[in-house]
Amino acid sequence: KNEVEQSPQNLTAQEGEFITINCSYSVGISALHWLQQHPGGGIVSLFMLSSGKKKHGRLIATINIQEKHSSLHITASHPRDSAVYICAVRSRGYGNKLVFGAGTILRVKS
Amino acid sequence: KAGVTQTPRYLIKTRGQQVTLSCSPISGHRSVSWYQQTPGQGLQFLFEYFSETQRNKGNFPGRFSGRQFSNSRSEMNVSTLELGDSALYLCASSLVSYNEQFFGPGTRLTVL
Repeated sequence: KNEVEQSPQNLTAQEGEFITINCSYSVGISALHWLQQHPGGGIVSLFMLSSGKKKHGRLIATINIQEKHSSLHITASHPRDSAVYICAVRSRGYGNKLVFGAGTILRVKS
Repeated sequence: KAGVTQTPRYLIKTRGQQVTLSCSPISGHRSVSWYQQTPGQGLQFLFEYFSETQRNKGNFPGRFSGRQFSNSRSEMNVSTLELGDSALYLCASSLVSYNEQFFGPGTRLTVL
């Protein structure tokens, strides 16, 4: 079992749809990161959070520490949101290294 | 502010050779981390440097090494290259350890 589980693995949506990507982890963490990777490799950090909720434009990230679960929401999705979304956690249990989920491949069709 | 830069962007080597990759962090950032990304294993942490000291190391063989200079620039070296070392190597910088990370474009290494 992976230390960080993401679901779904693949997601296809129509432009304008509300999208949710989930991330579950198994140990206590100090921080959780959501990253976006476009074809070609470049990675952009979307959020770093340790509690509650953060919002940036059409993106919202939430975390439930007790349930060891985080969600990334995209409102009014657009084809330019098509990318791989990666969840990563930092924990003393992992020696404070970032441990990554396998990623969710999102395709938004126009 | 200029972003994180990595050189070279693409590299082709043969088995047994060694390679050095370079990373220049965002100005003022003192922490540099390195990651390997492959289709099979995904993203994996290699090591982290802060103020010229290695703070953390991932589960990679000793062929993988790195260092950080006084200007925070970092290099990683892979000796005796194997086919399985073919990957995208990403560097990320942050103000201090465990902060938000800013990633470079990566170096794509192909080992033939």
